[in-house]
Amino acid sequence: QKEVEQDPGPLSVPEGAIVSLNCTYSNSAFQYFMWYRQYSRKGPELLMYTYSSGNKEDGRFTAQVDKSSKYISLFIRDSQPSDSATYLCALLAGGQGGKLIFGQGTELSVKP
Amino acid sequence: GAVVSQHPSWVICKSGTSVKIECRSLDFQATTMFWYRQFPKQSLMLMATSNEGSKATYEQGVEKDKFLINHASLTLSTLTVTSAHPEDSSFYICSASWDDYRYEQYFGPGTRLTVT
Repeated sequence: QKEVEQDPGPLSVPEGAIVSLNCTYSNSAFQYFMWYRQYSRKGPELLMYTYSSGNKEDGRFTAQVDKSSKYISLFIRDSQPSDSATYLCALLAGGQGGKLIFGQGTELSVKP
Repeated sequence: GAVVSQHPSWVICKSGTSVKIECRSLDFQATTMFWYRQFPKQSLMLMATSNEGSKATYEQGVEKDKFLINHASLTLSTLTVTSAHPEDSSFYICSASWDDYRYEQYFGPGTRLTVT
């Protein structure tokens, strides 16, 4: 079983739709939960990170962490064509000495 | 802020030669730098972690004699792929963090290596 599971998609939505991206994980030791956006042939861009359970909002983006279910989500409101990219979840255990474990990434396409 | 650059962005080399990739943090001092490898349609796999002035820590299965990492300063780390072979062709991405805050890593744009 992989430590982090993420549906690779592709996911196609119309402009303005609410997008839900998810990851599940197996290791309860993960404490930090990150979402990265990666455009084709570019490095990942950190969108937001969350420590432990709860919600975090930044503009059109909301990250949710449910540690009891080992389930994390990223919601994008009012999606735009410029949001078309691959979204990767990344988890960190072991505090500052740990390493990021990435999901496979979900390819999102927002159609105008 | 938090900009990381990589050079070159794309390199083609012949089998058996060595290639050096540079990673620079432009507007902050990077206590820790990381090197990842990404195959098409796949996720990032950590290769090694380096701290300025210290030897790099390699992940299991990564040949340290093949992938030489030097973290010479708080703004520069280099990855040298020695005696490259076609199977080393991949997308190499570095990231950097300050004060070893590994949950807040900033990535470079990546280097595409093609070995012919």
